[in-house]
Amino acid sequence: SQELEQSPQSLIVQEGKNLTINCTSSKTLYGLYWYKQKYGEGLIFLMMLQKGGEEKSHEKITAKLDEKKQQSSLHITASQPSHAGIYLCGADAYGGATNKLIFGTGTLLAVQP
Amino acid sequence: DTEVTQTPKHLVMGMTNKKSLKCEQHMGHRAMYWYKQKAKKPPELMFVYSYEKLSINESVPSRFSPECPNSSLLNLHLHALQPEDSALYLCASRPAGLENEQYFGPGTRLTVT
Repeated sequence: SQELEQSPQSLIVQEGKNLTINCTSSKTLYGLYWYKQKYGEGLIFLMMLQKGGEEKSHEKITAKLDEKKQQSSLHITASQPSHAGIYLCGADAYGGATNKLIFGTGTLLAVQP
Repeated sequence: DTEVTQTPKHLVMGMTNKKSLKCEQHMGHRAMYWYKQKAKKPPELMFVYSYEKLSINESVPSRFSPECPNSSLLNLHLHALQPEDSALYLCASRPAGLENEQYFGPGTRLTVT
């Protein structure tokens, strides 16, 4: 079965600093998703990557999928307290007629003012 | 309307109670999901409905009973739960076809006493 490992597990940065979160898959990725979650709340979709070498940006967040489609990174530029939360990568795992989303281990981000 | 709603937001129930969680979406999505999330863990898939039929059951105990009465509504019936079932229960929906983002609801925080 496919597994997603995220690193680091947790991260504390000073406001204004840049940071990177990594997501490594045990199998080739066919759809890689990044979500953000505030504690005890639902998941907020950030970005989806499908093609090897693809890169997408939204505001100060950039996500990349490597050429081999087994690793993705999420980069935040000039972090702000609003970026704090849990970041989860997710990947499609085919479950027969319906695909299902499996999640990485998660990265807890704290941004200190 | 691009949101998934869940009710109730919080639920406390005894081990002999019967209760239900409700999830609703009006985006025309034909795949709907139930996830369970324990503290500091990623969401774990429980059930998937595709076109109102149960497509995936991730070996969930029978004390959890899903129901999809129509294409907009998903229920999770709870009976004789254990304290270890206390968790955040998340509902999600997804457009038909593969490799589309899932839209998540805000979750129901369940406590079993």
